[in-house]
Amino acid sequence: GAGVSQSPRYKVAKRGQDVALRCDPISGHVSLFWYQQALGQGPEFLTYFQNEAQLDKSGLPSDRFFAERPEGSVSTLKIQRTQQEDSAVYLCASSYDRAYEQYFGPGTRLTVT
Amino acid sequence: KNEVEQSPQNLTAQEGEFITINCSYSVGISALHWLQQHPGGGIVSLFMLSSGKKKHGRLIATINIQEKHSSLHITASHPRDSAVYICAADKLIFGTGTRLQVFP
Repeated sequence: GAGVSQSPRYKVAKRGQDVALRCDPISGHVSLFWYQQALGQGPEFLTYFQNEAQLDKSGLPSDRFFAERPEGSVSTLKIQRTQQEDSAVYLCASSYDRAYEQYFGPGTRLTVT
Repeated sequence: KNEVEQSPQNLTAQEGEFITINCSYSVGISALHWLQQHPGGGIVSLFMLSSGKKKHGRLIATINIQEKHSSLHITASHPRDSAVYICAADKLIFGTGTRLQVFP
């Protein structure tokens, strides 16, 4: 079946704009993860959903970052009032359940100018 | 000190060489992941292991829970193996990655 998809693949935003990044997990996958990967760095955890419940949001860097998964499938990561330091690739991954292998999407490259 | 550390950070090899990438962690885990990231960003999960050894093609991953150490081995390396290899503890803590370049 289809893998994890993310949209848009590339996003350029002016500083101060709000952005919304979408993740479509693999159908039937209960767990969904968001990661932020700055240039030249490894991914860093942002938040984790089990179905529609956001069980861990300890990695969100500020209250400008907000994620939701209202029906337990598609998830949206929203960043308000974007700053230059938000420029990164945002990766989404899903897994059958928390302890299972994660499948990664292609990422959304966000550039804030 | 990072909770997950990898070595080496950069590695170059000639085609056909046997390659080892090491990962040490200081957190308690129930599983450790090895991931491969090619230029352009796509991440592929290679292994998830909690004990012993797993093999997939030319890739072998081992873990020693007592020593909190894991290794990823690539036998008969090929230029297409050139990528960044990342180990991650299951508490979503990533190592900084090992950049591997294999030359023909």
